Amino acid sequence: DVKVTQSSRYLVKRTGEKVFLECVQDMDHENMFWYRQDPGLGLRLIYFSYDVKMKEKGDIPEGYSVSREKKERFSLILESASTNQTSMYLCASRSRGTDTQYFGPGTRLTVL
Amino acid sequence: GQNIDQPTEMTATEGAIVQINCTYQTSGFNGLFWYQQHAGEAPTFLSYNVLDGLEEKGRFSSFLSRSKGYSYLLLKELQMKDSASYLCAVRPLSNQKVTFGTGTKLQVIP
Repeated sequence: DVKVTQSSRYLVKRTGEKVFLECVQDMDHENMFWYRQDPGLGLRLIYFSYDVKMKEKGDIPEGYSVSREKKERFSLILESASTNQTSMYLCASRSRGTDTQYFGPGTRLTVL
Repeated sequence: GQNIDQPTEMTATEGAIVQINCTYQTSGFNGLFWYQQHAGEAPTFLSYNVLDGLEEKGRFSSFLSRSKGYSYLLLKELQMKDSASYLCAVRPLSNQKVTFGTGTKLQVIP
């Protein structure tokens, strides 16, 4: 079974803090994704990576950065958290040449 | 770009059949996904349709019409555990980014 794990299920941070969200997958997938999910807006792609050290902007990259130093790990970074970044963050991975994305359990981030 | 439309909420009775529709407009099209997401949990894959027609997997079936930009997810013999959000998502041609609809929240009642 594919397993995608995220470092925290719930996180509370203060405005201006630097926040790291970690995602690890154990299936040697090349592609990894970060989404945020908000009521009425659905899942929106923040960044994705198709290989180590490679990254591409998704639809809403502003205020975020990412790091992919190892194949199994994809980190999402909020340089200076703001209240409008309060959301559910979902990581996903996919093997190159296949179609299905496998999602992690999500991190519910609250920025006060 | 892509535009995906699906109903926000639906209610159906245990044991019944429900059809959740999804329409899309895209600049390129490779295939359409359906995911199930229970409250507070991650989306889980249900189906991926590339060709026109109906694909059946147990109680769940998914239909695609590429010419009409239309898909539906059919759930038969509804169970209480089917209460969840159902996400329609489109994968454009030759592109890794999948675009998700806002999801349909299905409530199954006794």
